[in-house]
Amino acid sequence: DAMVIQNPRYQVTQFGKPVTLSCSQTLNHNVMYWYQQKSSQAPKLLFHYYDKDFNNEADTPDNFQSRRPNTSFCFLDIRSPGLGDAAMYLCATSREKRTGGTDTQYFGPGTRLTVL
Amino acid sequence: TQLLEQSPQFLSIQEGENLTVYCNSSSVFSSLQWYRQEPGEGPVLLVTVVTGGEVKKLKRLTFQFGDARKDSSLHITAAQPGDTGLYLCAGVVLQGGSEKLVFGKGTKLTVNP
Repeated sequence: DAMVIQNPRYQVTQFGKPVTLSCSQTLNHNVMYWYQQKSSQAPKLLFHYYDKDFNNEADTPDNFQSRRPNTSFCFLDIRSPGLGDAAMYLCATSREKRTGGTDTQYFGPGTRLTVL
Repeated sequence: TQLLEQSPQFLSIQEGENLTVYCNSSSVFSSLQWYRQEPGEGPVLLVTVVTGGEVKKLKRLTFQFGDARKDSSLHITAAQPGDTGLYLCAGVVLQGGSEKLVFGKGTKLTVNP
């Protein structure tokens, strides 16, 4: 089945040790998003790619970077994780940025990051 | 900054009861979406409402978009344990040609058998 896959589902890292989270999609969608969701909080958009065009949210810390080597894959790199970066990280895709209506975003299952 | 306030934040009810979840903002949204998220999973889209005053039904779930497109409600009739989950509303914002979702904090619903 076409889907959004995130690996790993659970990631434990040490304070300050770089970590990379992976997202892949078989939907052939142009747009890929990364959200951070902390416990009991709303998902917060970090950045998104429209094809190869990277769009960073103004309040996303520099500690968070992203790469999209091809249509199918997108990575979230956290250069120096702090305790406050422990969260669920959600990847989502949509076909287009805008199609005259509202384009559905399809979410992956998330990666839960623990920082020790 | 556009914010969406959801209420209640937590709701625990018995099977068969009805409930309503509210999503309010001072901002106007081009459309609004409702998602359901289960523990350890990503949000799954339930419905998108686009027109002010619009009402959509999905089996026992009824969604309404306010006339001014600033608020929405989700009503569940005869709740079942399978309805348990986190319900998130998300406003769609058009920003520089891109569509972005602004999420509320969610309502954590528990339906007890």
